[in-house]
Amino acid sequence: GESVGLHLPTLSVQEGDNSIINCAYSNSASDYFIWYKQESGKGPQFIIDIRSNMDKRQGQRVTVLLNKTVKHLSLQIAATQPGDSAVYFCAEKATGANNLFFGTGTRLTVIP
Amino acid sequence: EPEVTQTPSHQVTQMGQEVILRCVPISNHLYFYWYRQILGQKVEFLVSFYNNEISEKSEIFDDQFSVERPDGSNFTLKIRSTKLEDSAMYFCASSAGRAGDTQYFGPGTRLTVL
Repeated sequence: GESVGLHLPTLSVQEGDNSIINCAYSNSASDYFIWYKQESGKGPQFIIDIRSNMDKRQGQRVTVLLNKTVKHLSLQIAATQPGDSAVYFCAEKATGANNLFFGTGTRLTVIP
Repeated sequence: EPEVTQTPSHQVTQMGQEVILRCVPISNHLYFYWYRQILGQKVEFLVSFYNNEISEKSEIFDDQFSVERPDGSNFTLKIRSTKLEDSAMYFCASSAGRAGDTQYFGPGTRLTVL
């Protein structure tokens, strides 16, 4: 059968504004979550991670929020820059597992 | 900064041929992974490897696939008889440990099966 690519959610923001990218994860047994950035033709690049015993973690210009009650993860990017334009994936890992399970991804476009 | 490297960047092959994709993980890492990403789709787990053996594999990783660490630095993925649907980006990743350690990804090899 014909393979159909996923329709990526998209987010467009003005340069300098804050961005919020959301992700709903599926496995209540997941205990580790990561946000990756993927630019066209490149591999996923680690941005920030969070363990299930936390609900917030901050990095440089980025913050990850975890709500285990509703199985929701978000990535906040402050003062978004054109170089932030990429597809952003959340990934989860279940307790005891090695593999990451990736979400669909969100395409962020920063308008100069 | 240490990084995962992969060769080749692009591999074109005929259906039914064998291909070997190569990766050099970060030098002090102990866990190695292969993932693939079909164009426009999610990144999917294939296999993880530790202490010279497979520790986990997905349903995608069937008998056509194999992995090997032939020496102290390389980690390879072999596809014995490629199919059209094997066309994808193949990413190698490595992590220092296991439970919750960050996986760092290489730039990928684009495999095109004709």
